[in-house]
Amino acid sequence: GAGVSQSPSNKVTEKGKDVELRCDPISGHTALYWYRQSLGQGLEFLIYFQGNSAPDKSGLPSDRFSAERTGGSVSTLTIQRTQQEDSAVYLCASSSPRGRPDTQYFGPGTRLTVL
Amino acid sequence: GQSLEQPSEVTAVEGAIVQINCTYQTSGFYGLSWYQQHDGGAPTFLSYNALDGLEETGRFSSFLSRSDSYGYLLLQELQMKDSASYFCAVRAFRYGQNFVFGPGTRLSVLP
Repeated sequence: GAGVSQSPSNKVTEKGKDVELRCDPISGHTALYWYRQSLGQGLEFLIYFQGNSAPDKSGLPSDRFSAERTGGSVSTLTIQRTQQEDSAVYLCASSSPRGRPDTQYFGPGTRLTVL
Repeated sequence: GQSLEQPSEVTAVEGAIVQINCTYQTSGFYGLSWYQQHDGGAPTFLSYNALDGLEETGRFSSFLSRSDSYGYLLLQELQMKDSASYFCAVRAFRYGQNFVFGPGTRLSVLP
């Protein structure tokens, strides 16, 4: 089926506003990850969902960041009171329990710019 | 803590062979993966090693030595389209799937 999709592809917001980023994983993939990538940098792990288990939130940089996954499928990453240092590309990835667990399929990302 | 090291940049010419190294220091180890990312694109999976040795997939091969906490990606018969950033990633925990990515190596292939 279709790959991982993310929306919006680009988001420009003002400092202090809240933003929501959406991820639609590949159908049947139970694992979902959020990463942040600053320009020219590596991927910073944010949060991981696996099925109905409690998410691994160990990578969230502050309590302004939160994420949920409804019905084991779509996930939303929310950033409250955005700051300029939140500007980055936010990538979502999913993987299948039936495949190799280290194979993650990435979406195209959401480029967030905080003015 | 967890850390991975890679060279920041590598340059090679078309048709050549290039090796991108990755060393890691993690609290646990359950596999080393490699991803390719073209400018403006999403990372795509290239290869995976859980055990020592060489894994070959077409022009790309990946090697792992767990005793040395070291791995590399070998790209043969380089093509212009191989110009991209390459990231190694370690799955540091058996549960929780917390991946640690390296800083990436930017490969430039020259004609």
